[in-house]
Order: sequence, then structure tokens, then C-alpha cells
Amino acid sequence: DSGVTQTPKHLITATGQRVTLRCSPRSGDLSVYWYQQSLDQGLQFLIQYYNGEERAKGNILERFSAQQFPDLHSELNLSSLELGDSALYFCASSVEGDGNTIYFGEGSWLTVV
Amino acid sequence: GENVEQHPSTLSVQEGDSAVIKCTYSDSASNYFPWYKQELGKRPQLIIDIRSNVGEKKDQRIAVTLNKTAKHFSLHITETQPEDSAVYFCAARGYQKVTFGTGTKLQVIP
Repeated sequence: DSGVTQTPKHLITATGQRVTLRCSPRSGDLSVYWYQQSLDQGLQFLIQYYNGEERAKGNILERFSAQQFPDLHSELNLSSLELGDSALYFCASSVEGDGNTIYFGEGSWLTVV
Repeated sequence: GENVEQHPSTLSVQEGDSAVIKCTYSDSASNYFPWYKQELGKRPQLIIDIRSNVGEKKDQRIAVTLNKTAKHFSLHITETQPEDSAVYFCAARGYQKVTFGTGTKLQVIP
């Protein structure tokens, strides 16, 4: 158990819909990262937050947005879903803003039908 | 930004043989290099890491080497076992974020 908690674990939704994925970082970690992993693909960096502020942005679509709340949990919002958005979405957290050791959650499986 | 290249993309070895995975990075300011193991459908788990002030680090059957001048680092697994079969990702900590390699699928044949 890495200490990073993600919900839901599995989600099936229809095209055009909107979903929210939630992440609670390890106790004491200020940085939260979101990654997308499609089938047999690598880890695509989406976005990073540090202590509530956006720190770095990767290949995140405009249909996707995220935020980190004062209690440090984070949410990834995916809207106007397409079949190609089906993937495993990982949240990760670390102590320092520059991503020292990153610990991953178990991931949220999103299936768009 | 940082660019991390990882080779090979797939690797098959006989049980008991050694496996080597290599990564190169572009940002000379990178100073932290973790390696993750990911089993099918599971989260990546940190297996070993190395910082730029160290040239080599070993933990039982796994070791990592770092050549800062050449900007490359490698993962070495000795006496491979079937449970080592997984996807391995290298990563480099550049400015403000960690960049992952594309992964190596390691298959250990019994």
C-alpha cells in the first residue's frame, strides 16, 4: 500500500459524459501528479499540482481539468468523453514540489462505451 | 523540457540470466533517477533509485548505474526469476516534474 488513495477503482460511462476521479495523497505529500496509461502504453504525464497550485502541465486535453484542494486532495475532471479516453488513470504524490520520490495510487480504470 | 529514451522496448531472457535496461536523458540538470516495476493492471512501484551524486547503487539482485557525463543510466537485474516479468520504467527528475521513459516489457522464460 503506497498510501495514495484513488476513487473510483473502476468506472464505465458513455461517450459524451463527464466523470471525476479523486485522489488523496500520502500524508504530508504536497505534490500530486496525474498520469494516463492506455492499454500497453507508457505513462503519459497530464498535470502536477503543488500545495494547491498548478506546477506543471503535460499532454492534458482541453476537455480535461484538475484541481488540488486546501486539504491537498485532488480531482481530475474528464468531460465530453470519447472512446479513446478509456485508460488507467494514475494519481501519484511526493513530498517535494520537484517530485523527489513519487508514489503511485492503484489507479482508476475508466472505460468509455 | 526533459526527454527520456528507454531501450529496449521488449526483452526476453532465460531464467537465471541477467537483464539490462538502458535510459538516456536530455536535461543535464536532472538529479534524481528512479526505476519502477509495473505488473499487469497494477500501479508502478519504485524498485530502486539513484541520485546524481552517486555512480552506482545496488539492492540484492538489482543495481542501477549512472553516467552523468554521457547522460545515461541503466538497470541491471541478475539471476532473473519468473516473478521479475513485468514492465519497467525509468524516470528522470528534470525541472519541476519527473519524466518517464516509454517502458521495457521484460519476460523471463522459465
